[in-house]
Amino acid sequence: EPEVTQTPSHQVTQMGQEVILRCVPISNHLYFYWYRQILGQKVEFLVSFYNNEISEKSEIFDDQFSVERPDGSNFTLKIRSTKLEDSAMYFCASSPRPLSSGANVLTFGAGSRLTVL
Amino acid sequence: AQTVTQSQPEMSVQEAETVTLSCTYDTSENNYYLFWYKQPPSRQMILVIRQEAYKQQNATENRFSVNFQKAAKSFSLKISDSQLGDTAMYFCAFAHGSGNTGKLIFGQGTTLQVKP
Repeated sequence: EPEVTQTPSHQVTQMGQEVILRCVPISNHLYFYWYRQILGQKVEFLVSFYNNEISEKSEIFDDQFSVERPDGSNFTLKIRSTKLEDSAMYFCASSPRPLSSGANVLTFGAGSRLTVL
Repeated sequence: AQTVTQSQPEMSVQEAETVTLSCTYDTSENNYYLFWYKQPPSRQMILVIRQEAYKQQNATENRFSVNFQKAAKSFSLKISDSQLGDTAMYFCAFAHGSGNTGKLIFGQGTTLQVKP
């Protein structure tokens, strides 16, 4: 069964450093998403991306965050200058159609754990 | 703003028995989707079941079924014949029905332990 692949599985970084989390969505999917889950808390929406543009972003997704689809397969989340509170599990997801199309669901990756020291 | 509430932080059930996880939500919309996701210790979020708000019939997927009460804004998950592999965190999630760009609103989660 096709799956969403995320790397790295765990990254430890110093506060203030830049981090790039990588995702390979399912190949025929056109819509891409990032969510995050701070330890012990609920999963939160960060951003959705379609046709090389951000479709929607949450208030969490401030100027220090950016997303990119640098080639035909990868979808990346960059955090420019990490803060302690960015420590979380970051989940990438993809879908073939918009969520509102009815039969569609998101397929999530296994997550990238980010630890900021 | 839409909210999703799961009032049971932890639950346990004996293997082969039935358990029900609760979820309530708040919305003024009439068209939306509801989901239950499972997050086992491996951390990957796996879709368990989904429900379209316009459908009166409760969704069913093998041992998993929902009790969707639209007027009460309740969306509980029933797991029948519980198995050890059902041990996981379960999240209820809400999505707008129109113009949704992939934003799911999750509840706080319920940790379910299935005991042998």
